[in-house]
Amino acid sequence: GAVVSQHPSRVICKSGTSVKIECRSLDFQATTMFWYRQFPKQSLMLMATSNEGSKATYEQGVEKDKFLINHASLTLSTLTVTSAHPEDSSFYICSVNRGGEAFFGQGTRLTVV
Amino acid sequence: GQNIDQPTEMTATEGAIVQINCTYQTSGFNGLFWYQQHAGEAPTFLSYNVLDGLEEKGRFSSFLSRSKGYSYLLLKELQMKDSASYLCAVRDGREYGNKLVFGAGTILRVKS
Repeated sequence: GAVVSQHPSRVICKSGTSVKIECRSLDFQATTMFWYRQFPKQSLMLMATSNEGSKATYEQGVEKDKFLINHASLTLSTLTVTSAHPEDSSFYICSVNRGGEAFFGQGTRLTVV
Repeated sequence: GQNIDQPTEMTATEGAIVQINCTYQTSGFNGLFWYQQHAGEAPTFLSYNVLDGLEEKGRFSSFLSRSKGYSYLLLKELQMKDSASYLCAVRDGREYGNKLVFGAGTILRVKS
């Protein structure tokens, strides 16, 4: 069965609005979750590491004020894309490590119009 | 930092064998993963190597040489459904959480 659940799978929003994406680990506690972004025909680029109970660690070049990450519990991390612009349109995907293996959510296709 | 290289595209024939190479340069190496990704979908796990040698799993095998910073994924008895992007990823064990860093991916096209 699924190890990670991500919601929503698709979202369309207007420029300037904010969008929240949820990532849940199922049946186990994840102190760390990872958020990736993937543009068409490109690979997954790590955006940030979400740490339960503390601040997220952002990769170089990722704006922490634009991509807000909250890891308030051991089973839930959220990514909020604030003041979205068309260039933020992408495939966002979360992952968690369990038993040495990385499990991925289903991904969220964000389209900003 | 990390640097992971793999070919951009490959084409192979149904029933054949194909080898996808991956070279990497990284500090804190803590394992290498191969994932398959179909367009618009999440990656699915194929294999994991942390020690040198070959890991076999059905039609898929993966090889690692840590001294050379080199891995390959071998796909046997190719099927049309194997057409996908194949991602090589290195785990960085220096930081808490063991993040994965991905290569750009190799798009494999299987033709009949």
